[in-house]
Parts: sequence; C-alpha cells; structure tokens
Amino acid sequence: DQQVKQNSPSLSVQEGRISILNCDYTNSMFDYFLWYKKYPAEGPTFLISISSIKDKNEDGRFTVFLNKSAKHLSLHIVPSQPGDSAVYFCAARGTGSARQLTFGSGTQLTVLP
Amino acid sequence: KAGVTQTPRYLIKTRGQQVTLSCSPISGHRSVSWYQQTPGQGLQFLFEYFSETQRNKGNFPGRFSGRQFSNSRSEMNVSTLELGDSALYLCASGLGAGYNEQFFGPGTRLTVL
Repeated sequence: DQQVKQNSPSLSVQEGRISILNCDYTNSMFDYFLWYKKYPAEGPTFLISISSIKDKNEDGRFTVFLNKSAKHLSLHIVPSQPGDSAVYFCAARGTGSARQLTFGSGTQLTVLP
Repeated sequence: KAGVTQTPRYLIKTRGQQVTLSCSPISGHRSVSWYQQTPGQGLQFLFEYFSETQRNKGNFPGRFSGRQFSNSRSEMNVSTLELGDSALYLCASGLGAGYNEQFFGPGTRLTVL
C-alpha cells in the first residue's frame, strides 16, 4: 500500500517554462513534507520542505504547495532550467512511533533547451 | 565539511551469500537512516539509528540488519541474499532524530546474481 504516490513517472518541459511536479498521500498523520532531487550516480539532495501547518513555502525558483484537504503536494519550478533535469522524489514524515520518511516513486523531469 | 560516504560503491554477490555495507555520516551527525531503492519503487525505509540505538525499522525481513558504532558510523548487513535484493542502498545522516532534513550518500549498488 503506497502511502505517498507520484503518478507521473516522467515530465518534459521547455526551458524557461514552469515545471509542476505532483504528489498525493493517503496518511493524514503525516506532519512534514519534503522534496528531494536526484541526479544519476548521486544520492538524493534535499530541495525544499513544508510543514503541515502551512500551505506554501518558497525558496528562489522553487515553491511547494500543500493542500491538506486534498492530501496533495506540488512542487513548482519557475523558470525551469536544463540543470533541473533530474528525478524528483516527494517524501512525507510520519508521527509518533512511525517518524520515518515515506518516499514516492519519483518523477523524472527533463527540461528541454 | 565532508559529505556522507558509503563503501563500497558497487558490489556483486551471488544468491545465498551475505553482504555488509558501510556508511560514514557527516561529522557531528548522530542519526543514520538506510533506504533501499529499486526501479519504480522509490526509496523504501529500512531502519534508523541514533546514538547506537535502532529507533525505527521498516517492513523488511529479518535478513536485513544494521548497527551503529560510537563514532556514528553505521553498517547494514543482508544475509542469505536473494535476487530481489539487487538495488541501490542509500544511507542518510542527520543532526538528530526527526528527519527534518537528511543528507544522503551516493549509495552502494548491490547486484545479486
């Protein structure tokens, strides 16, 4: 049972346009959400996060939106750059005794020059 | 500051063998988590160690085990290897428990023949 789902395995976007990566979750007990970026042959790199008490967090070109009622998370990258091409994972943190991160299966973003 | 290091980077084993992977966290970090990444499955949480104690364990069979030493270095062991254990094994370190932000190593690519 996947508690965190990224339904789009891949996404292609033109350079300069907006990239929108989506993530859905089923566990309403998650209290913190994170996005990681992963290049081939490297480990994931932390990108941006958001607490469940907020609905938006912005850091430069990256903005994460959280819609708790829909249990939906999205990452916006504006403007997209070729160097953003990577696999993006969303992750959610549990609470109490289940305080580990649960990851989605990832979305391969390709930014076309 | 040196990042998270994992050794070896690549490993080939045969079914039935056992394997030990090593992870050295960022200096000062006391939390180490292990993940298994397989194609299409994202990152599956294996276990987390903090101050030499296993704090959390994912849904993996007992063949998967780990430990943490007093210098925060961690090892994971997989006994009686199966073909399905072929994966990228990632470790991540953090300052403390809580998973607000984890820093990943490059991973160990394990192939079981």
